[in-house]
Amino acid sequence: ETGVTQSPTHLIKTRGQQVTLRCSSQSGHNTVSWYQQALGQGPQFIFQYYREEENGRGNFPPRFSGLQFPNYSSELNVNALELDDSALYLCASSSLAENTGELFFGEGSRLTVL
Amino acid sequence: DAKTTQPNSMESNEEEPVHLPCNHSTISGTDYIHWYRQLPSQGPEYVIHGLTSNVNNRMASLAIAEDRKSSTLILHRATLRDAAVYYCILRAYNGGNQFYFGTGTSLTVIP
Repeated sequence: ETGVTQSPTHLIKTRGQQVTLRCSSQSGHNTVSWYQQALGQGPQFIFQYYREEENGRGNFPPRFSGLQFPNYSSELNVNALELDDSALYLCASSSLAENTGELFFGEGSRLTVL
Repeated sequence: DAKTTQPNSMESNEEEPVHLPCNHSTISGTDYIHWYRQLPSQGPEYVIHGLTSNVNNRMASLAIAEDRKSSTLILHRATLRDAAVYYCILRAYNGGNQFYFGTGTSLTVIP
């Protein structure tokens, strides 16, 4: 069983640029959610995708957007990067049908905005 | 979003039991109580969850107060590998997989 994988693991961008982060979900999982974790804080929910549609969103501006593909993998896009976007971005997959609330997280992509 | 309150940090001696408390006085009747932990440089990891009754699994036990306004995660014998940040989270029954993490409890295990 392949776990959740994210890429890239680390990247550096400058303010105003755009970034795309990628996530491959665990085999058999059809739901992907994204979280932002600033240093010393708990993860903050960004949004969730199910059947290629966004079906839940946290308190993040529209410049945070995403996609889910037919194979359930996902992308997180952030436009017009700001210094405060520097964080660890975590992807989590799950099976919504099971509704156990058990999320499987990747190890994250650490973004630094200069 | 229903909120939880946890101590910022706790310490335990290796091979002793650890009781990690969580207060959730605003919990609603259909909210599940979940616990995740995050080891250094890793994503969070599911530990256990429950609704009303106490729960046991291979990692831990979850004791839920009768009024459900508090719960306790119990690690029966702490090991050095249990050093992590532990998050107590409430999830609405129809909330899908949207979790609202707090700052959690940082557990230090002393050899």
